[in-house]
Amino acid sequence: DSGVTQTPKHLITATGQRVTLRCSPRSGDLSVYWYQQSLDQGLQFLIQYYNGEERAKGNILERFSAQQFPDLHSELNLSSLELGDSALYFCASSLRTYTDTQYFGPGTRLTVL
Amino acid sequence: DQQVKQNSPSLSVQEGRISILNCDYTNSMFDYFLWYKKYPAEGPTFLISISSIKDKNEDGRFTVFLNKSAKHLSLHIVPSQPGDSAVYFCAARLTSYGKLTFGQGTILTVHP
Repeated sequence: DSGVTQTPKHLITATGQRVTLRCSPRSGDLSVYWYQQSLDQGLQFLIQYYNGEERAKGNILERFSAQQFPDLHSELNLSSLELGDSALYFCASSLRTYTDTQYFGPGTRLTVL
Repeated sequence: DQQVKQNSPSLSVQEGRISILNCDYTNSMFDYFLWYKKYPAEGPTFLISISSIKDKNEDGRFTVFLNKSAKHLSLHIVPSQPGDSAVYFCAARLTSYGKLTFGQGTILTVHP
């Protein structure tokens, strides 16, 4: 158990819908990262937050957004969902940023029908 | 552009023998490398890491070797155990930029 929690574990929804994925980092960790793992793309970095502020952006679509709240939990919002958004979404956290090891949560499996 | 590559999708090894997982990268600016292990229905679990100023790092049965001139790293597991059966990902990072760039993963199967 890494100490990073993600909810829900599974999510099934329809195209065009909007969903929110939630992540609670390890106690004391200030940085949160979101990654997407799809069958053909492997693990891809989406976005990073540090202590409530966006720090880095990767291959995140404009339909996706994220935020980190004062209690340091983070939410990833996915809207206008398409079939291709079906994937595993992982959250990771680290103590500060850059040089600290990232610890991953169990992931949320999103299925778009 | 795949900057981190694991060219072997799978590897099968007998229990007690050595497992060698390989990873190549193209971006010479990467200065920190990590290996993660992933079981089905779980998130990646950190295994071992190495800074670009070193060429070897050891932790119990796991050793990571880095060859900067060849832009190649490898993970050695000795001796291999059936519980090591999992997907292994190598990842690379720029110290000034926190995101990890992952390889596609290698499925390791250790047979009793």
